[in-house]
Amino acid sequence: GENVEQHPSTLSVQEGDSAVIKCTYSDSASNYFPWYKQELGKRPQLIIDIRSNVGEKKDQRIAVTLNKTAKHFSLHITETQPEDSAVYFCAASNTGGGNKLTFGTGTQLKVEL
Amino acid sequence: GAVVSQHPSWVICKSGTSVKIECRSLDFQATTMFWYRQFPKQSLMLMATSNEGSKATYEQGVEKDKFLINHASLTLSTLTVTSAHPEDSSFYICRAGQVDEAFFGQGTRLTVV
Repeated sequence: GENVEQHPSTLSVQEGDSAVIKCTYSDSASNYFPWYKQELGKRPQLIIDIRSNVGEKKDQRIAVTLNKTAKHFSLHITETQPEDSAVYFCAASNTGGGNKLTFGTGTQLKVEL
Repeated sequence: GAVVSQHPSWVICKSGTSVKIECRSLDFQATTMFWYRQFPKQSLMLMATSNEGSKATYEQGVEKDKFLINHASLTLSTLTVTSAHPEDSSFYICRAGQVDEAFFGQGTRLTVV
């Protein structure tokens, strides 16, 4: 089955700096890669996703890049703000968003003033 | 957007008793329901996948007789934790899906005392 690794496990940045979280996956058949933000005690919130036919996607301060050859994808957050502090999870799926997701181990992002 | 309602949001039960968690898709028909468990500071681990009208498919290591899943309609799935023990204390969260996308419920914090 699919295995998703995520790094780093914790990340501390100064407000205004950029944050990058990286994930690798094992199943070459995976074609859908979402990123979730989870605040303590709440449901994960989809913040951006990318499909395997695209190399990069951007939504305001958030961007995701995908390297299918190397089987890794990354989340980039620019101009970080304190409200970006949360746990971020990457995930991978075969055949799309309505299907089984395998999650990474999570990254605790802390944006310091 | 699609709404998935999960109840209860938290529950405390005595060891040895059973607890039922409901997950409802309020404005769409969920052909597939995913149930996850999340221990503190850990990732979301898929427990089982169910399709409406069919038996659930459990992930390796998940006891199907302990975690009973029912998906009797396209808008309702239930997870029953039978004979709960303190080690079952966790955050349980459903994810209701159609073909191309799926949505998380709010999650249920289960504490077994």
